[in-house]
Amino acid sequence: AQSVTQPDIHITVSEGASLELRCNYSYGATPYLFWYVQSPGQGLQLLLKYFSGDTLVQGIKGFEAEFKRSQSSFNLRKPSVHWSDAAEYFCAVGAGGYQKVTFGTGTKLQVIP
Amino acid sequence: AAGVIQSPRHLIKEKRETATLKCYPIPRHDTVYWYQQGPGQDPQFLISFYEKMQSDKGSIPDRFSAQQFSDYHSELNMSSLELGDSALYFCASSFADRAHTEAFFGQGTRLTVV
Repeated sequence: AQSVTQPDIHITVSEGASLELRCNYSYGATPYLFWYVQSPGQGLQLLLKYFSGDTLVQGIKGFEAEFKRSQSSFNLRKPSVHWSDAAEYFCAVGAGGYQKVTFGTGTKLQVIP
Repeated sequence: AAGVIQSPRHLIKEKRETATLKCYPIPRHDTVYWYQQGPGQDPQFLISFYEKMQSDKGSIPDRFSAQQFSDYHSELNMSSLELGDSALYFCASSFADRAHTEAFFGQGTRLTVV
């Protein structure tokens, strides 16, 4: 069964600092990997996705993530965080086709001035 | 571009009542997924349909049922509502037969059971 682990429940960073959110997945084959962002009471917005090919993927809002098969990781990074990035971030794994997506427990990001 | 439409956006029901949530997928998408997100929780998979047939089932209570209709829209029926059913319910759709496809999520229906 596929699963995702986000080891950090809360992260606090200063505005302008760099950010890395960790994600480890468990899946038998090559996974489809996603990062979503959710503001309080809002829907899920897709930040970026990995299907195959280049292991460094660029997303919206200046985010990027790197797929490392050897570490079963798909960490999300941003070089300089803005106050508007404060939200909850979910890593998710899927298999494509009509297979469901499984979410991690999320990391809540707080940005301080 | 058309997105996944969920209705209603907000719903308030009393305990033991029934509720029906609707999901209209992106045109030509053949797969629909339902997720439940409780307060402070991650989205939990409930059920999915591919070409109008149930394709997978997660932690969906027996009090809930769902189906996908001939026009590919889906409805989640919830009976004997409990306080713990209060959550944000997401629907997502995808085109399963296309390679490298992802599920697109709707904005969710916030159900409050009082």
